[in-house]
Amino acid sequence: DADVTQTPRNRITKTGKRIMLECSQTKGHDRMYWYRQDPGLGLRLIYYSFDVKDINKGEISDGYSVSRQAQAKFSLSLESAIPNQTALYFCATTGGVLPGELFFGEGSRLTVL
Amino acid sequence: AQSVTQLDSQVPVFEEAPVELRCNYSSSVSVYLFWYVQYPNQGLQLLLKYLSGSTLVKGINGFEAEFNKSQTSFHLRKPSVHISDTAEYFCAVSSTGGTSYGKLTFGQGTILTVHP
Repeated sequence: DADVTQTPRNRITKTGKRIMLECSQTKGHDRMYWYRQDPGLGLRLIYYSFDVKDINKGEISDGYSVSRQAQAKFSLSLESAIPNQTALYFCATTGGVLPGELFFGEGSRLTVL
Repeated sequence: AQSVTQLDSQVPVFEEAPVELRCNYSSSVSVYLFWYVQYPNQGLQLLLKYLSGSTLVKGINGFEAEFNKSQTSFHLRKPSVHISDTAEYFCAVSSTGGTSYGKLTFGQGTILTVHP
């Protein structure tokens, strides 16, 4: 089983719908992150969390919200999806001991029509 | 603020040829530097990192990178590529503070395609 699991892997939805992307990890890490990947733009940080009570905005948090339900679970929500939120979304974790050593999930591809 | 520029969006190369993927960065503070690889339909995985010390760092799968502070570059090289190296490669930086360990600024990505 993967250390970082994302569900769903693929989702097609319509403008205005609420969408939740879920992430769970078995690495025992405290720090979890949501990144968004767009072709030609690389990855950009949406939100991150250092523990259950600590949530922080990243570079592009507008239009998104997150919930840290437990140390191992971190979900990303789009309250009212819009077409320019069509992207590949990655969850990642790190133990915060080794700089930059993020462990990524396999991604959730979201298409908003 | 930091930024990363990967100078080539696509690099085609023949099998067993050498390759260099170029990365420049900009930052007003000290940074750590990274290269990640993304194989088709997979997440990213760390190839190598520069934290301090020797400017030549070696990573997995025969890749290496050289940190050049004066030119603010961190180019990735491999002397002989294989078909299996076909993937997208991302250069990234982070600040050196402990709270920044997972907060990476990524470049746009370079698609390496190895032809037989």
